Amino acid sequence: GQNIDQPTEMTATEGAIVQINCTYQTSGFNGLFWYQQHAGEAPTFLSYNVLDGLEEKGRFSSFLSRSKGYSYLLLKELQMKDSASYLCAVRDSGRTALIFGKGTTLSVSS
Amino acid sequence: NAGVMQNPRHLVRRRGQEARLRCSPMKGHSHVYWYRQLPEEGLKFMVYLQKENIIDESGMPKERFSAEFPKEGPSILRIQQVVRGDSAAYFCASSREQGGGYGYTFGSGTRLTVV
Repeated sequence: GQNIDQPTEMTATEGAIVQINCTYQTSGFNGLFWYQQHAGEAPTFLSYNVLDGLEEKGRFSSFLSRSKGYSYLLLKELQMKDSASYLCAVRDSGRTALIFGKGTTLSVSS
Repeated sequence: NAGVMQNPRHLVRRRGQEARLRCSPMKGHSHVYWYRQLPEEGLKFMVYLQKENIIDESGMPKERFSAEFPKEGPSILRIQQVVRGDSAAYFCASSREQGGGYGYTFGSGTRLTVV
């Protein structure tokens, strides 16, 4: 079967660092994606990992371990505007459609 | 350089009516994906299309739902005889190539309410 797990909710304060974990079990693997979605809006692409290791992009970094079926999204220097849902998605090998987790709602307070 | 365009943004239908949701992919993108998002749920894949072809419809309900992506014009997701359980946000995404590594660009969605 296919299963993607991530925490439902997280809270943090402005300026802090937060790590959102994602574990996955899929029959194949051809890339892991992170998206950000503000309430009522379209998901927007944040990062893509297909090889093990860390990908850094400004305040956001994403890590992948294929052997552990594990990824995390790291957000540094949190801002109020980072309050959103963060969606972990996996592309199964042989398919191009993404399989999404339920998302993690992050609330950033001052 | 318009992104993925979906219309309408909001659609209200009575039970038993038909709903038609439209999606125009980004310029240069020939791959279209439809997803449904229920409250408190993740995005659920429905169907993947290229021009004039349905590539993967493994996520589509067997009855009442259909999708097309004609040679000319937008992709259409059609729901016949809508029921209350069809109320959800429907998102369309497009990509330039199969298996692209830069993700999929999503439209702003159509929020369908069945009354």
